[in-house]
Amino acid sequence: ETGVTQTPRHLVMGMTNKKSLKCEQHLGHNAMYWYKQSAKKPLELMFVYSLEERVENNSVPSRFSPECPNSSHLFLHLHTLQPEDSALYLCASSKSPQGGAEKLFFGSGTQLSVL
Amino acid sequence: GQNIDQPTEMTATEGAIVQINCTYQTSGFNGLFWYQQHAGEAPTFLSYNVLDGLEEKGRFSSFLSRSKGYSYLLLKELQMKDSASYLCAVQDSNYQLIWGAGTKLIIKP
Repeated sequence: ETGVTQTPRHLVMGMTNKKSLKCEQHLGHNAMYWYKQSAKKPLELMFVYSLEERVENNSVPSRFSPECPNSSHLFLHLHTLQPEDSALYLCASSKSPQGGAEKLFFGSGTQLSVL
Repeated sequence: GQNIDQPTEMTATEGAIVQINCTYQTSGFNGLFWYQQHAGEAPTFLSYNVLDGLEEKGRFSSFLSRSKGYSYLLLKELQMKDSASYLCAVQDSNYQLIWGAGTKLIIKP
């Protein structure tokens, strides 16, 4: 148990669907992240939030839309995805945005399949 | 560009020792992390190195040579539960994390 919970664990959706991924952290951290993990590829940072404000967006397509209503919750809204978006989506949190020896606490991820 | 290299897969025997290497080329250096990720589970923090040398933590040790752009993770007295992927990540000069693709470690009885 890492203190970061993601739902759902698995999601299958069509290219025209709209769905949302949810992440909740119980650690009192101030920074939250969305990562994409594809097989045999490095983790790709998608979004970073610090104290509910987006501080980084790594040129992610607009079909991915993040939302951070408070410092404990993070959402990733999905619409009109492509098959190449199929991957494991990981949420993470840290005490503050990445710096120094700040380690990340990850959730178990949502395995997304786009048909 | 920035790059982290680590072997895709390694196999070792229960009770033995294994060394997982990580080499990096990044714009500056502010620390190196190792994470462990069991299949279907969250990556979890193992170690952090910012100065040259060896950091020991139980059966796991991590080594760093900044001049060589090189680190390794050493696992001793291997157990079946050590079967997992091991992720190397470097913080560059902007404190951005650059990730390797991970090394899948298979432990055989």
